[in-house]
Amino acid sequence: QLQLQESGPGLVRPSETLSLICTVSGASISSSSYYWGWMRQPPGRGLEWIGNMYHSERTYYNPSLKSRVTISVDSSKNQFSLRLSSVTAADTAVYYCAHLYYDILTGYKYFQHWGQGTLVTVSS
Amino acid sequence: DIQMTQSPSSLSASVGDRVTITCRASQSINTFLNWFQQRPGKAPKVLIYGASSLQSGVPSRFSGSGSGTDFTLTISSLQPEDFATYYCQQSYSLPWTFGQGTKVEIK
Repeated sequence: QLQLQESGPGLVRPSETLSLICTVSGASISSSSYYWGWMRQPPGRGLEWIGNMYHSERTYYNPSLKSRVTISVDSSKNQFSLRLSSVTAADTAVYYCAHLYYDILTGYKYFQHWGQGTLVTVSS
Repeated sequence: DIQMTQSPSSLSASVGDRVTITCRASQSINTFLNWFQQRPGKAPKVLIYGASSLQSGVPSRFSGSGSGTDFTLTISSLQPEDFATYYCQQSYSLPWTFGQGTKVEIK
């Protein structure tokens, strides 16, 4: 069964870089059959899509974050990561990694498996 | 960006009630619409994909309908475990966007 787990610092100082890792079990992250993504949710608010990664190389980012965000993969550890630079208090949120299921026949994509989420607070 | 607007933002209902939540897209998204349930302190869980396809393992009291710009999530008979927040999300075009959420509370 596919499982995901986020890890990383819970506190990041303003202007620094937020770095999170998502460890995947139950599937090979480098398989062409699997796609991955990151979302976030500020406390008490709704969900925001951050970006997706396909085939361990093609990435797509939310334009609102594009200049600051990088999603990459470490196949040797079966992990993928999120880096968000120049953070401010507005980046305080629960960050989720997720497996993106892609139905080739219909073209439908949806986040099927999620990590439990990790709260990152931006504060000095 | 495609804006997703849900209504209502919250509702109160009783166990056994039929509940309907609406999601409207700012432009046509065909049927590239997903519904998620989020319980407090938990990650979202997919209920419906492709506007009307029930995700494996999700109870049949959940159903989705719609195409183009107007979509509906229906819970035919509300159960205690259904009290949660529900989000729609479009996967038609980047950036993917979510509705603001509908909180279903106990009456």
